[in-house]
Amino acid sequence: ILNVEQSPQSLHVQEGDSTNFTCSFPSSNFYALHWYRWETAKSPEALFVMTLNGDEKKKGRISATLNTKEGYSYLYIKGSQPEDSATYLCAFPNSGGSNYKLTFGKGTLLTVNP
Amino acid sequence: DAGVTQSPTHLIKTRGQHVTLRCSPISGHKSVSWYQQVLGQGPQFIFQYYEKEERGRGNFPDRFSARQFPNYSSELNVNALLLGDSALYLCASSLAGDHGYTFGSGTRLTVV
Repeated sequence: ILNVEQSPQSLHVQEGDSTNFTCSFPSSNFYALHWYRWETAKSPEALFVMTLNGDEKKKGRISATLNTKEGYSYLYIKGSQPEDSATYLCAFPNSGGSNYKLTFGKGTLLTVNP
Repeated sequence: DAGVTQSPTHLIKTRGQHVTLRCSPISGHKSVSWYQQVLGQGPQFIFQYYEKEERGRGNFPDRFSARQFPNYSSELNVNALLLGDSALYLCASSLAGDHGYTFGSGTRLTVV
C-alpha cells in the first residue's frame, strides 16, 4: 500500500505571506508526482506533473520542487492572495510505472485571510 | 472546449438501491478514471478505462462496476448502496503519460 503524506493538514496565512507545504511519498520505483489545487465547489485542477529529481516547476506565484531520492516535494506560494485559498493535493502514480492509478494524500487546506 | 462533465451533480438514494453516475471526458481523451472522495480524505481510485477496456481497479467491492462507451464516455454503477457509499465521486480524463488529469466537478451521492 502506497503512503502519500502531506503536511500541514491546514494552514492559515495573511494576504501577502509566502508559504510552503510538503508531500512525502515512497522513494523507490518513482515514476511521477502530481500536484493539484482544489477550490471549494470546483473540480481539482492540475498544477504540476514532476518527473525528474531536482525538478523545479513554476506557474505564476506557485512553484514546486522535487527530491526523488528522499521522497518529498515542496509546493511554494509567493505572496499569497485570498484566491489561493484551496486544498492542495499531491498524488503519486502506482509503482508499476503506469500512470493510471493515482494515490492521493489527504491534502493541505490553505486559507488566505485578506 | 468543454471540460470533463459529470451528471448528475447531486443525488440522494436509499440504502439497497442502485445508482448510475455518468462522465464525458474532454474531447480527444481516451482514458477515464473514477475516484471516490470522502470528507477528510484524498480521492481514492476506483477504476480506470482506456479504449473501452478496464485498465485498473482499486480496492472496492464488486458492487462497484463501470464501463466505457465507444465515444469514450463512461458510467460508474453501484449496486446495493450502503450508507458508507455516501461520497463525492470524481471522474478524470487524460491523454496519457505525464499530462496530469482533468477532473470533473463530481457527483455528490448521499445514501440515506
